[in-house]
Amino acid sequence: DTGVSQDPRHKITKRGQNVTFRCDPISEHNRLYWYRQTLGQGPEFLTYFQNEAQLEKSRLLSDRFSAERPKGSFSTLEIQRTEQGDSAMYLCASSLERVVGPIQETQYFGPGTRLLVL
Amino acid sequence: AQTVTQSQPEMSVQEAETVTLSCTYDTSESNYYLFWYKQPPSRQMILVIRQEAYKQQNATENRFSVNFQKAAKSFSLKISDSQLGDTAMYFCASGEKLVFGTGTRLLVSP
Repeated sequence: DTGVSQDPRHKITKRGQNVTFRCDPISEHNRLYWYRQTLGQGPEFLTYFQNEAQLEKSRLLSDRFSAERPKGSFSTLEIQRTEQGDSAMYLCASSLERVVGPIQETQYFGPGTRLLVL
Repeated sequence: AQTVTQSQPEMSVQEAETVTLSCTYDTSESNYYLFWYKQPPSRQMILVIRQEAYKQQNATENRFSVNFQKAAKSFSLKISDSQLGDTAMYFCASGEKLVFGTGTRLLVSP
């Protein structure tokens, strides 16, 4: 098990440009989450997928943000027309949720993609 | 909405000593889970310990244990025999879509 991986690890872009991040979850994990973490704060939930279905989006996820998980495996997070306020660490996490039962499984995090918008 | 509060921005402890990090939360859910995550300077978030709210017994993982007070909505983390490698940000979290506190920076010194 190689863990959750994210690419790239760092991204510097100019305001107005589009960026795309990729997350590869732990294999066979059916849930995939995106969080955003700004300096000195805890991560904040953005969106999550159950297999390929996007089940919920936070109000933090403006129209400039879009996430996909086309085959229920890896996921991409795209930010269009980046703004300086988008500068943050973008974290991906995955978990294996049971279909039956109330147990909440542990989310395992990737190393994150640090975005700097100039 | 769930809220998680960590009131200690920074804590310091000497190697081999014990330290307790505080966390309070609020939730309307009847069955929920609580987590402590560690984020070392490399920034990879790592699970330290988890607690199911319906279990009265406090969770323990080696040197890490929790004091879960359900009525008080308190979930503190105790680190025994602190090691230099414990230096990190510690986040308390709850909920299916994790809600995190603002974190406590722990510094373990020799």
